[in-house]
Amino acid sequence: IQLTQSPSSLSASVGDRVTITCRASQGISSYLAWYQQKPGKAPKLLIYAASTLQSGVPSRFSGSGSGTDFTLTISSLQPEDFATYHCQQLNSYPLTFGGGTKVEIK
Amino acid sequence: QVQLQESGPGLVKPSETLSLSCTVSGGSVSNYYWSWIRQPPGKGLEWIGYIYYSGSTNFNPSLKSRVTISVDTSKNQFSLRLSSVTAADTAVYYCARDPGPYCSGDCYSDIWGQGTGVTVSS
Repeated sequence: IQLTQSPSSLSASVGDRVTITCRASQGISSYLAWYQQKPGKAPKLLIYAASTLQSGVPSRFSGSGSGTDFTLTISSLQPEDFATYHCQQLNSYPLTFGGGTKVEIK
Repeated sequence: QVQLQESGPGLVKPSETLSLSCTVSGGSVSNYYWSWIRQPPGKGLEWIGYIYYSGSTNFNPSLKSRVTISVDTSKNQFSLRLSSVTAADTAVYYCARDPGPYCSGDCYSDIWGQGTGVTVSS
């Protein structure tokens, strides 16, 4: 299953609302997770089951979607949110990831 | 809490075998699925395969012919071997807890090692 993330990169300011999309090549129900990755660090789980916030993750992060189209939204971008975001499908093996979206400071 | 730590050579020669280990601390390898994931420089993440503590495995078809994953419950470790490496195998390699094939609904990789960089070069 191929995952296509868009955009591949974006520039935004602190306080902005940011939306990242992930499209699957076939239906994956709600078996989608989102991860945040900072340079030199491992990915960190943000959201699973498309919309469930992992414990400890700020509520400004939210996820939605099912089937083939999914969205990660950051309601008010904070300085610590500048990072790369990856989606992952867990509907079937082999597990696959999107190409990533790099969120940069405008 | 459970922590993972990768270890192994940072430099491997072309055509040789890459070998990495992942040590599980703060918990047991038992009763969980464990995976290897890699990330080439500047690129996305690629799932390599998983192993269950009992030894059952599942690999990415793109790498299946070259991959071996094993587990040593006595050492609380699992390991990756990738044979016949080329420059395309240069990447940061992560070990992570895998959701496994029987997860329902709440499926994710919540625990990751810090990653170890492997360069394939002569």
